[in-house]
Formats: sequence, C-alpha cells, structure tokens
Amino acid sequence: QQQVKQSPQSLIVQKGGISIINCAYENTAFDYFPWYQQFPGKGPALLIAIRPDVSEKKEGRFTISFNKSAKQFSLHIMDSQPGDSATYFCAASKNNAGNMLTFGGGTRLMVKP
Amino acid sequence: DTAVSQTPKYLVTQMGNDKSIKCEQNLGHDTMYWYKQDSKKFLKIMFSYNNKELIINETVPNRFSPKSPDKAHLNLHINSLELGDSAVYFCASSRTGLSFRNEQYFGPGTRLTVT
Repeated sequence: QQQVKQSPQSLIVQKGGISIINCAYENTAFDYFPWYQQFPGKGPALLIAIRPDVSEKKEGRFTISFNKSAKQFSLHIMDSQPGDSATYFCAASKNNAGNMLTFGGGTRLMVKP
Repeated sequence: DTAVSQTPKYLVTQMGNDKSIKCEQNLGHDTMYWYKQDSKKFLKIMFSYNNKELIINETVPNRFSPKSPDKAHLNLHINSLELGDSAVYFCASSRTGLSFRNEQYFGPGTRLTVT
C-alpha cells in the first residue's frame, strides 16, 4: 500500500511555464512534507518543505501548497527552466518514527527550451 | 568536501554472495538512514539509526543489516544476495530534534547489480 501517491509520473513543460506536481497522503499522523529533487546519477536533495500548520510556503520559484482537509499537497515551479529538469519526489514523515521519510513515486520533469 | 559519501559507487556481484556498502558523513549528524531506489526510481526507507535506536522498516528482509561503528558511519551488510536486491542504495543523514527533523542529506548512491 503506497501511503504517498504522486502524479503525474512525467511532465513536459515549456521554458517559462509553470510545473505542477501533486501528492496525496493517507496517514493523518504525517506532519512533515518535504520535496526532493534528484538529478541523474545523484542522490536526492531537499528542495523545500512544509508543516501542516501553514497552507503555503514559497522559496524563490518553488511553492508548496498544502490542503490538510483534503490530505493533498503540491509543488509549483514558476518560470520553469531547463536546469529544473530532474525527478521530483514528494515525501512525508511522522513524529516518533525514526524520522523516516515515505516517498511518493516520483515525477520526471522535462523543461523544453 | 563531500557531506555524505558512499563506497563503492558501483558493485557487481553474483547471487548468494555477501557484500557491504559503506557510508560516512562529515556533517556532525546523529541520525543516519539507508534507502533503496529500484529500477522504477521508487525510493523506499530501509533503516533509520542513531546511537540509541535502530528502526527497521518491517518489509526489509533480515538478510540486510546495518552496522554503525560510530556516529559518522553506517554500513549496510547484505547476506545471500538475490537478483531482486539489484538497485541503487542511498545513505542519508540528518540531525535529530524537531527543528531539524527530516532535513536529510543524501549520498551519491551505490548501484548494486546482482547477476
């Protein structure tokens, strides 16, 4: 049973466009929701994260929107650039669980020049 | 300086063998992790470990065992390797404490191929 579901699996966006990736979770005990970015041949790297006491967090061109009642959160990449082409993972964790992250299935983003 | 390093980067071995992957972090973190990324890029936690507590994902076969000689190192030992163990294994580390929770730093990965 996949506790964090991510969509779409792949996404193609034109340079300058908005990339939107969505995630939904089941476990209401989750209380931390990060997004990771992974380039080919590299390990994932933390991009941005949110806790459920806020509905939105913005860092530069990256924004997380969080809907606690719907148990959904999304990543928006504004003014998408070719350098943003990577695989993006949403994740979730709960307190007192060894800080272990449960990842979504990943979204492969391609930004066309 | 590399924050989280793993060796080897590539590991090719035959079924039934026993192998180890080493991980070291120089960030002063006190919690380390092992993740498995399969061919479909799906990332799954295997272990979380700090000086006091080992938390094992219940789906991990007992052929997999983490070994931590000190806070900066967490090695992964795999017995009786199977074809399905082929994957990329990532080590990660973080500090504990709510303000730092889950800001995990990942290593570059070890691609394990079992033939």
